[in-house]
Amino acid sequence: GESVGLHLPTLSVQEGDNSIINCAYSNSASDYFIWYKQESGKGPQFIIDIRSNMDKRQGQRVTVLLNKTVKHLSLQIAATQPGDSAVYFCAEDSGGSNYKLTFGKGTLLTVNP
Amino acid sequence: KAGVTQTPRYLIKTRGQQVTLSCSPISGHRSVSWYQQTPGQGLQFLFEYFSETQRNKGNFPGRFSGRQFSNSRSEMNVSTLELGDSALYLCASGEGSGNTIYFGEGSWLTVV
Repeated sequence: GESVGLHLPTLSVQEGDNSIINCAYSNSASDYFIWYKQESGKGPQFIIDIRSNMDKRQGQRVTVLLNKTVKHLSLQIAATQPGDSAVYFCAEDSGGSNYKLTFGKGTLLTVNP
Repeated sequence: KAGVTQTPRYLIKTRGQQVTLSCSPISGHRSVSWYQQTPGQGLQFLFEYFSETQRNKGNFPGRFSGRQFSNSRSEMNVSTLELGDSALYLCASGEGSGNTIYFGEGSWLTVV
């Protein structure tokens, strides 16, 4: 994931629009990636995951794209709703099943009604 | 199926004290991992336990420790608390054979 810092990237969209949240990861050996959503005062909530042998995976209203060439991950949310407003984190697992995830710094998504 | 349960949810401690946080994983999950979340550093991995054994450890000082019991419940302990330990401590559980982990709501620790 990205190095963390004090500034949280923000994305503001209108209700009904599609949202795209981007993430750059650092470890080329990472073979598993996850997107989490975190609402204020709550723990991260699993959204969708993808393994390194895939380029794209779709869920309900969400799609994750993986570009291993440039080490880039994106989360697309279709028809964004006010309830989607939250901080979104990408996380990478550099291998094995030891659950040692490295998180990106997060993106704050604000959906305007 | 109940989710990951963490207790206490909120606590205030004084510098120099120690604290113990508890985590009950999702039923059937044998892996428990702990993360620290702060505004400045984001989410950082502390350690992970599977079948009572620590499998992985992050880059935190020895004041941070943990353990897992035979029923997969886990505790983490922070000794000699410092102001910088103020954070949201998150526990996550997984089945142990895959990679998806699910987080609890966290324990908010304030050190004064």
